[in-house]
Amino acid sequence: GQQVMQIPQYQHVQEGEDFTTYCNSSTTLSNIQWYKQRPGGHPVFLIQLVKSGEVKKQKRLTFQFGEAKKNSSLHITATQTTDVGTYFCAGPDQAGTALIFGKGTTLSVSS
Amino acid sequence: DTAVSQTPKYLVTQMGNDKSIKCEQNLGHDTMYWYKQDSKKFLKIMFSYNNKELIINETVPNRFSPKSPDKAHLNLHINSLELGDSAVYFCASSPDRVRSTEAFFGQGTRLTVV
Repeated sequence: GQQVMQIPQYQHVQEGEDFTTYCNSSTTLSNIQWYKQRPGGHPVFLIQLVKSGEVKKQKRLTFQFGEAKKNSSLHITATQTTDVGTYFCAGPDQAGTALIFGKGTTLSVSS
Repeated sequence: DTAVSQTPKYLVTQMGNDKSIKCEQNLGHDTMYWYKQDSKKFLKIMFSYNNKELIINETVPNRFSPKSPDKAHLNLHINSLELGDSAVYFCASSPDRVRSTEAFFGQGTRLTVV
C-alpha cells in the first residue's frame, strides 16, 4: 500500500543549529502538507506544496517539494526552543480521500 | 470559538467496556476524519466521512464504529475495549476531500484502557 516515510525519527540540536527532516512517498503526490505537533498538543497545519520543485518559506522554515513530487523536506534555520515538537509530512491517498501521514520527526532543542 | 472540538479530553476505562468519543466542527467542512495516534506518535487514518457517507474504512476492528448524525458531527463508538486500544484519538475535518486540503485537528482524546 501507499507509504509516506520520514527521517530521522528523532533529532536533538543545540539552540541556533539548523535542522532538516526528509519525507519520501512510495507514490507520486498531488500535494504534500506539513504539520507540527507540540508536546501534548494536536497536529497543526503549516503549509501545502503543490507544484513540482516548489520552494516555500515561512520565516526560518523552508519547505521543498521534489521534482518528481515524491519527496519533500523541511529545513529550519537557527532553531529556537519554540521549534520543539514533532513535524509530520502528509500526502493524499491515491483516492484523494484522506491524508496519509509520515511517522514524524521529533525535534528537541537544548539552550 | 473552537473549530474542531472533541470530548472527552481524557478517558480511562476498564477492558470490556463500551465508550464513545464525540466530535463537532463548526467550520462548515464537508469531510471529517478519525485518526489514531499510538505511543510512537504514528498517525493512522481510521475513518473518513464526507456528507454523512463513509468513504474510508481502514482495516480497523469492527468494534470501532463511526456515527455521523449530521455533517458537523462524527462520533466514534468503541465496543469491548481492549488494552491495545489505548492511544490518542484525533478528530479532524477538511473542506474538500477531493483535493485533500488541509486538515484541522481537534485537541485529541487520550484513551487509557486498564
